[in-house]
Amino acid sequence: NAGVTQTPKFQVLKTGQSMTLQCAQDMNHEYMSWYRQDPGMGLRLIHYSVGAGITDQGEVPNGYNVSRSTTEDFPLRLLSAAPSQTSVYFCASSQQTDTDTQYFGPGTRLTVL
Amino acid sequence: KQEVTQIPAALSVPEGENLVLNCSFTDSAIYNLQWFRQDPGKGLTSLLLIQSSQREQTSGRLNASLDKSSGRSTLYIAASQPGDSATYLCAVNGDNFNKFYFGSGTKLNVKP
Repeated sequence: NAGVTQTPKFQVLKTGQSMTLQCAQDMNHEYMSWYRQDPGMGLRLIHYSVGAGITDQGEVPNGYNVSRSTTEDFPLRLLSAAPSQTSVYFCASSQQTDTDTQYFGPGTRLTVL
Repeated sequence: KQEVTQIPAALSVPEGENLVLNCSFTDSAIYNLQWFRQDPGKGLTSLLLIQSSQREQTSGRLNASLDKSSGRSTLYIAASQPGDSATYLCAVNGDNFNKFYFGSGTKLNVKP
C-alpha cells in the first residue's frame, strides 16, 4: 500500500492564482481530511469528508473548496490564492474517526507571493 | 471550541532520561485522544490512540495516559534515545467526532 499520497510536494503561486492540491489514499478509508500547519501552531482542520459525496467544513474553511467524487481522492482547491494561505498542507485518512488512528500524507508546502 | 495546549514547547534532555510530555484540553467531552510524532519536513505518524473509556495505552517505550475529567494527557517516554528527537503532537476530537483539534506540539531533542 502507498498509504496517503499528496501532490505536489512544493508549489509557489502568485496572489489571485488558483490551484488544486491532490490527495489520494489506497486503504479504502471513508474519512478524509485536510489540515494546514503554520509555524509555531498545531494543525488546523480545513475540510473533511466522511464518504464519497459528503463533505463538511472544519475550523478554517474560508478560501478553500473540496469535493469527494470517489473514496480514494479528496482534492483541495484554492480559487484565488492569498499570501495568508502560505502554509504546509496535510491530508489524512481514517476508517472510523471515533476508534481508529489517522494516517497522514507527506504534505504540500505552498508559498503565495 | 476545543482548545489544546502542550507544555513545554521545547525540551532538551540527555540520552537515557525518562521524560513526560503534557497535553491539556478544555472540553472533556472527547471520543479519543491521539499522540503523533512529526519529523522535520515530514507528515505525522501515529504513536498511540486512547479512547475516551480508556485510561492508558502502551507501545514499547511509550506510555500515554488520559484523565478525561481533568482534561489532561501525558506521554511518557522511557530511556530516551537520539532517534526520539522529533516534535510530538496531541489531538482530540470533541462534540463532533469527525473534527480534530491539535496542540502546537513539543519539540524534543535527545542529546547523545
